[in-house]
Amino acid sequence: NAGVTQTPKFRVLKTGQSMTLLCAQDMNHEYMYWYRQDPGMGLRLIHYSVGEGTTAKGEVPDGYNVSRLKKQNFLLGLESAAPSQTSVYFCASKERLDSGELFFGEGSRLTVL
Amino acid sequence: GESVGLHLPTLSVQEGDNSIINCAYSNSASDYFIWYKQESGKGPQFIIDIRSNMDKRQGQRVTVLLNKTVKHLSLQIAATQPGDSAVYFCAENQRGNTGKLIFGQGTTLQVKP
Repeated sequence: NAGVTQTPKFRVLKTGQSMTLLCAQDMNHEYMYWYRQDPGMGLRLIHYSVGEGTTAKGEVPDGYNVSRLKKQNFLLGLESAAPSQTSVYFCASKERLDSGELFFGEGSRLTVL
Repeated sequence: GESVGLHLPTLSVQEGDNSIINCAYSNSASDYFIWYKQESGKGPQFIIDIRSNMDKRQGQRVTVLLNKTVKHLSLQIAATQPGDSAVYFCAENQRGNTGKLIFGQGTTLQVKP
């Protein structure tokens, strides 16, 4: 049982380039989330999805887009990367609305030069 | 808006001692809190949760206390071990139909041998 898998684990981009982070979960969870983690800032919610075909903005959505075409996958896109988007990105999922137990991936470290 | 915050960015304890990590929240209507542990290079992992109808909840070597009067919660780790060295986050499960978790900044626990 793989849980939550993120790809790629590391990526270096130049300013203005685009890329997509892929999150895949094999637990049949409805709820999926993308967070970014920066030193001293904790985890901040970028976008989330409450089910297949749905997406919504979190605390820091600017510069990112997401899609949830299949229940098991949640994609995070950067259309034009900026140095301020250098961060570690975590995807998470959970089974029920009223559960506080998020299952996290191992993270994707993105550097924008 | 709602927020959760930790009191100390770093806590250093001797192996075998008890550790207490504190967290404060701002919204008196908040009713569900969760503690996560994040080891270096990994995603956060669920430790324990508590709902507002409880003041205390115990797990294996961990206890969470909730004081609704002063909007404060704490995580106590008994007989701290080197494997407990990690960053600890408190989080609030937002009310409503999003299932979002809002995280505090985190406290780094260092265990001295």
